Amino acid sequence: KAGVTQTPRYLIKTRGQQVTLSCSPISGHRSVSWYQQTPGQGLQFLFEYFSETQRNKGNFPGRFSGRQFSNSRSEMNVSTLELGDSALYLCASSPVGHDEKLFFGSGTQLSVL
Amino acid sequence: AQKITQTQPGMFVQEKEAVTLDCTYDTSDPSYGLFWYKQPSSGEMIFLIYQGSYDQQNATEGRYSLNFQKARKSANLVISASQLGDSAMYFCAMREGMGTGGFKTIFGAGTRLFVKA
Repeated sequence: KAGVTQTPRYLIKTRGQQVTLSCSPISGHRSVSWYQQTPGQGLQFLFEYFSETQRNKGNFPGRFSGRQFSNSRSEMNVSTLELGDSALYLCASSPVGHDEKLFFGSGTQLSVL
Repeated sequence: AQKITQTQPGMFVQEKEAVTLDCTYDTSDPSYGLFWYKQPSSGEMIFLIYQGSYDQQNATEGRYSLNFQKARKSANLVISASQLGDSAMYFCAMREGMGTGGFKTIFGAGTRLFVKA
């Protein structure tokens, strides 16, 4: 079974631009979560989608948005990039079940210049 | 508000010895899950072990065991017979909520483990 796939692996943008990150979950997983990881703040929850609906959202500004498609693939968008948005963005998928452990992708390393 | 605390920023252990990584949590939800993940230098997060709040016995997965003390809100990870490949960042995490309301998993700050040959 293929794992969680995130594209692109690396991204360099400049302030003010917008960016879209993509995540393909493990086949059969309907829940997709996004996390931002930085050295200073650690791993912070962005949002979680299930069956194309956002079920939970973390404490991030409205510049951060996402969506999920009918095939469970998810995209995350960040508009009007700021220097502080430089981070590793991790996507995780999960089966709906008892433990609901997360299966992570390799992440997208975003650098904002 | 839910919270995860890992008080050890870094730990050293001799190869083949056991090591305990500390984790305490805070939640008012009676139903929750506790997880440990490993993040090697490659960046990918790897699931290690899970403990449900209603599980009576401590979870074990190979060389990993979770020392769950519910009254103390503690979920320490024990790695037995450390190997050089265990050198990585380790995150304790907690998931609240079940069912249609969705869930979110929050993570502690992590503990960096160094295994010495």
